[in-house]
Amino acid sequence: DAGVIQSPRHEVTEMGQEVTLRCKPISGHNSLFWYRQTMMRGLELLIYFNNNVPIDDSGMPEDRFSAKMPNASFSTLKIQPSEPRDSAVYFCASTAGRADGYTFGSGTRLTVV
Amino acid sequence: GDSVTQMEGPVTLSEEACLTINCTYTATGYPSLFWYVQYPGEGLQLLLKATKADDKGSNKGFEATYRKETTSFHLEKGSVQVSDSAVYFCALSPHQAGTALIFGKGTTLSVSS
Repeated sequence: DAGVIQSPRHEVTEMGQEVTLRCKPISGHNSLFWYRQTMMRGLELLIYFNNNVPIDDSGMPEDRFSAKMPNASFSTLKIQPSEPRDSAVYFCASTAGRADGYTFGSGTRLTVV
Repeated sequence: GDSVTQMEGPVTLSEEACLTINCTYTATGYPSLFWYVQYPGEGLQLLLKATKADDKGSNKGFEATYRKETTSFHLEKGSVQVSDSAVYFCALSPHQAGTALIFGKGTTLSVSS
């Protein structure tokens, strides 16, 4: 099992550009989560999906952020337009059930300049 | 709503010292409880878990016991190593199905030789 796979590992972009982060969950996991981690705010839940359906997106900071899960094996988090305050490490995680805990990906370190 | 409170860090110890990181929770019903560890530059990894009262989770010399009477899940290790230096997160999976993990703010552990 390759675990949760995120790409890219690092992304540097200019303010105003569109950024797309990608995640492949573990096969058979039916829930997927996007988190953002910064020194100032710690670990924040942005959005999560159950069976490819968005359940709670209340953590998405504003309309510039959007997430999709077109099928069970792929999800994207898009920021358009990006701003310097979006700089953070973005994690994707998946799980098969609430008693199993989450498996996290290695994260995407986003720097917006 | 459900919540997790863990002790503020950083915690600084010498190698072979005993470790306790306190974690208490507020929840309705019967949550599952977890400890995650994050090494520098990496994603969160599940360290141990307990799914019902009086369960003891253990892994890599770490252990924690689900205490319903004190609503606690303290992380302990008898003899820490330099390689244990990391950030440790306590987390709760609410009883209600389909809801996301609730994480504590994290405790940074630094172990010196």
